[in-house]
Amino acid sequence: GESVGLHLPTLSVQEGDNSIINCAYSNSASDYFIWYKQESGKGPQFIIDIRSNMDKRQGQRVTVLLNKTVKHLSLQIAATQPGDSAVYFCAENIPPPAGNKLTFGGGTRVLVKP
Amino acid sequence: DTAVSQTPKYLVTQMGNDKSIKCEQNLGHDTMYWYKQDSKKFLKIMFSYNNKELIINETVPNRFSPKSPDKAHLNLHINSLELGDSAVYFCASSQDGWAGTEAFFGQGTRLTVV
Repeated sequence: GESVGLHLPTLSVQEGDNSIINCAYSNSASDYFIWYKQESGKGPQFIIDIRSNMDKRQGQRVTVLLNKTVKHLSLQIAATQPGDSAVYFCAENIPPPAGNKLTFGGGTRVLVKP
Repeated sequence: DTAVSQTPKYLVTQMGNDKSIKCEQNLGHDTMYWYKQDSKKFLKIMFSYNNKELIINETVPNRFSPKSPDKAHLNLHINSLELGDSAVYFCASSQDGWAGTEAFFGQGTRLTVV
């Protein structure tokens, strides 16, 4: 089977509760941020994004908050469901001249308890 | 109708061998990437190509040589494989590599070097 990221921080949440996943990003020049969800054996999947000129964006059951002052990003999942169990990554886009580069954070494993 | 497809999904090979991983995207995107995910789930960009031109090369050993025959394909060739190359390799694409947009990921290729 797939190797387990034993050093991944893990968030255990009861089904139906809200989840909050936090991420600190590194580059103050980053202009675009994405949250990805990675299920076992699959590639990362886009959840929601936000540009640096915004501080909040809402999707279906998910909200992303951006605090540029402290370089912090969070993902809130409302009414967490078993299907939300996965590893979640934040990614920051570092703009040119180096070329847009999506740099990923270390990931947080979310375990939803029935 | 897979958006980003990479082959093979699993690859087991001996040290010292040369192997290739293929990637194709049918999204009409201009930019393609290779990422490496280690056993701790850390995702790190290796290369990005925009319209067949190399944009980013993240100090990857020159045993790794990406090749982009056209903008829909970005293959990764690895020479003289080493144990430390064992990881999951993800191909991704995005619409515009210069504007910071969502990247779509393939399902990954799990490379095991023995």
